[in-house]
Amino acid sequence: GQQLNQSPQSMFIQEGEDVSMNCTSSSIFNTWLWYKQDPGEGPVLLIALYKAGELTSNGRLTAQFGITRKDSFLNISASIPSDVGIYFCAGQRTGNQFYFGTGTSLTVIP
Amino acid sequence: NAGVTQTPKFRVLKTGQSMTLLCAQDMNHEYMYWYRQDPGMGLRLIHYSVGEGTTAKGEVPDGYNVSRLKKQNFLLGLESAAPSQTSVYFCASSYGAGQQYFGPGTRLTVT
Repeated sequence: GQQLNQSPQSMFIQEGEDVSMNCTSSSIFNTWLWYKQDPGEGPVLLIALYKAGELTSNGRLTAQFGITRKDSFLNISASIPSDVGIYFCAGQRTGNQFYFGTGTSLTVIP
Repeated sequence: NAGVTQTPKFRVLKTGQSMTLLCAQDMNHEYMYWYRQDPGMGLRLIHYSVGEGTTAKGEVPDGYNVSRLKKQNFLLGLESAAPSQTSVYFCASSYGAGQQYFGPGTRLTVT
């Protein structure tokens, strides 16, 4: 299956710090999505990206669609305790399938 | 709106037993999906449907069957459960091939 490499696997940061994570693929994608999953719940969409080079923000979150179309980045500024969770990237080439990364687990230390 | 709901929330099966997981959405979405989530592997697509009466295989379809008899429901069946099917199962729906809305998940253990 399609491999999406997401890094880092886990992060432990102090409240107030900025966070960066990324997702890379050997294939080109037409759409990149970033989700957050809280324990015991389903993923919730944070940001959707549809064009190479696109930079989109949602509050303290900013995501970018890489120019090569093989990667995407998510930044969280001034982290707070409720940012704790697992962050997933997902990519779509053509058709109806999305491929998900393995997730980045974020822990915010108050 | 309830969004996407899944039943049951938890289930324990013995090897060889069968069961059906139900997904329902009240957003009039055309597309529906079934994923499984295993530790360290992210979400993998099992089957999906682009409309009532249609289904298609995803990345890991073996051992599962699905049906979409009504637009709002998408059923996932396990005919003969195996321990390798122990996982958390998520259903999702979307208007088109875009943003997916996920249900809360079903935690299945096969012993």
